[in-house]
Amino acid sequence: QQPVQSPQAVILREGEDAVINCSSSKALYSVHWYRQKHGEAPVFLMILLKGGEQKGHEKISASFNEKKQQSSLYLTASQLSYSGTYFCGTELEDFGNEKLTFGTGTRLTIIP
Amino acid sequence: ETGVTQTPRHLVMGMTNKKSLKCEQHLGHNAMYWYKQSAKKPLELMFVYSLEERVENNSVPSRFSPECPNSSHLFLHLHTLQPEDSALYLCASSPSYRGGTGELFFGEGSRLTVL
Repeated sequence: QQPVQSPQAVILREGEDAVINCSSSKALYSVHWYRQKHGEAPVFLMILLKGGEQKGHEKISASFNEKKQQSSLYLTASQLSYSGTYFCGTELEDFGNEKLTFGTGTRLTIIP
Repeated sequence: ETGVTQTPRHLVMGMTNKKSLKCEQHLGHNAMYWYKQSAKKPLELMFVYSLEERVENNSVPSRFSPECPNSSHLFLHLHTLQPEDSALYLCASSPSYRGGTGELFFGEGSRLTVL
């Protein structure tokens, strides 16, 4: 069952913060985050495992709330280069990549 | 060279044509994947190959036929497609399809339009 992402789209001014959520109705083993810029390949940002710590990647970090089966991606002091569509992928168990299910994405637009 | 290369980048074909999409990875990975990306839909996994053996086929219609001659190359053969098959087809690779960080390395995709 695919995860649900929110919001579907968001427009921010450069320097503002954003939060993108990824929720599942089932217990999760891991959450993966990817970013895809228009016309480009999706790029891996990070993976969060059940029982793991919050991850960070420059000014982009994420958390995994096991009780809520939700992950949140935090983009602080957003830059123009952060524009793109953010996808989360979830695994229910440690089955491997063939069981990774993606959400429909959150389109982030950063304006000057 | 980029990690995962896909050709052609754009393809227009009629419903009776036969064409192929090609993917090549230069990362030394053992697993390769085909995904379908349609507008406003989540990425759909189509096929997974590990060490040149197919390990997953997600109920994909037989008009899509994958081929993995070696761990660096992956093909998707297309025949008698339908207009609803128009989409971006993404190839990806990973060191293995189980274990590790789970990171997928994607190509830029082949944009397919079926008339």
